Amino acid sequence: GAGVSQSPSNKVTEKGKDVELRCDPISGHTALYWYRQSLGQGLEFLIYFQGNSAPDKSGLPSDRFSAERTGGSVSTLTIQRTQQEDSAVYLCASSVTGEDNQPQHFGDGTRLSIL
Amino acid sequence: AQSVAQPEDQVNVAEGNPLTVKCTYSVSGNPYLFWYVQYPNRGLQFLLKYITGDNLVKGSYGFEAEFNKSQTSFHLKKPSALVSDSALYFCAVRDIERQLTFGSGTQLTVLP
Repeated sequence: GAGVSQSPSNKVTEKGKDVELRCDPISGHTALYWYRQSLGQGLEFLIYFQGNSAPDKSGLPSDRFSAERTGGSVSTLTIQRTQQEDSAVYLCASSVTGEDNQPQHFGDGTRLSIL
Repeated sequence: AQSVAQPEDQVNVAEGNPLTVKCTYSVSGNPYLFWYVQYPNRGLQFLLKYITGDNLVKGSYGFEAEFNKSQTSFHLKKPSALVSDSALYFCAVRDIERQLTFGSGTQLTVLP
């Protein structure tokens, strides 16, 4: 497709389980971002990939969270030993480059519910 | 640290009336400012941006925003609201050293 694709759209899992969330950015976009959107709140930056550079992990809330981007395209966000406070919508975005004036294009998100 | 404030959680306006969604920001350098809109169960869609130049920026769906440096504001406006404009609106700011920082969002409801 032409837009950012995220899967699954919804994920329900038990506390303590690991989850993987996938993001397919727009073809040709070198920059990729992950955000977390909790109910009634704005977006919280998690991690940023730009080309082959080392990712900016400054937003990851704990060492249970990690992400990788293979081949400069698809990205996976992994949450280990999930906790109830991890319940949120996880949004992925991409942009043509990582330059500051570039708008970001968002996927529809993965709604994660931890029981 | 950079920050964005959207002082109104909720804005209601009658269809056909002008609308304003407020945003103020704080950055250490020159700001890059953005407005995004989010419809239910969807990701954010880019509306418009201010980088430099004219203080009045025009964007998608008839929206515009005015950059005011002295008041550090970037309010979103539309001359005539539509029911279909009802959505959650986010202001965001970025300066050259940092990632995009979003406001907490403003729920716009346009009443028929």
